Amino acid sequence: GQQLNQSPQSMFIQEGEDVSMNCTSSSIFNTWLWYKQDPGEGPVLLIALYKAGELTSNGRLTAQFGITRKDSFLNISASIPSDVGIYFCAGSRTSGTYKYIFGTGTRLKVLA
Amino acid sequence: EAQVTQNPRYLITVTGKKLTVTCSQNMNHEYMSWYRQDPGLGLRQIYYSMNVEVTDKGDVPEGYKVSRKEKRNFPLILESPSPNQTSLYFCASSLKGTNTEAFFGQGTRLTVV
Repeated sequence: GQQLNQSPQSMFIQEGEDVSMNCTSSSIFNTWLWYKQDPGEGPVLLIALYKAGELTSNGRLTAQFGITRKDSFLNISASIPSDVGIYFCAGSRTSGTYKYIFGTGTRLKVLA
Repeated sequence: EAQVTQNPRYLITVTGKKLTVTCSQNMNHEYMSWYRQDPGLGLRQIYYSMNVEVTDKGDVPEGYKVSRKEKRNFPLILESPSPNQTSLYFCASSLKGTNTEAFFGQGTRLTVV
């Protein structure tokens, strides 16, 4: 099945720096979701996006639904050590269904 | 406490021996889903269910079965496990399909030898 292209695959940053990651697809999506997964845990939803161009924030996190509907971006401002983890994007092509496709993940490591 | 509970958390089994991984949610969610997570491949959807007695294939359904006889439970069945089904499995539930997958279980790490 299709997967979303997520980049970068991993990144090391200094505490306090801003982080950007993105997710792209060859198909149009109607919904974009961003999740974070801590070691040994299941993914936890961070932000959900439902309209092209939508910009949504959750604390230090901001995500955008790309205008083309084929991409989405997640930014983390002023990173802290607890931001460490794997970030996944997920997209749904069809509204009203529960079928999501996930990206391969961005592994974030924050250096104190 | 609102949660999705999977059991077992860890399982080692042999090829061909039928097994069931249970998933239960206490939030009265209509939608439930199973994923497998493999290194470099992210999360791939196996099956999902939009309501009781309504199930559908995800992206990688081969070798798996599910059932949804009651709203709170959504077991994943491997009739004849094979080594390529060694993976980390997650169950998830959500109130509505067009809403968000708000809750994931803690995962079941399955090894098939």
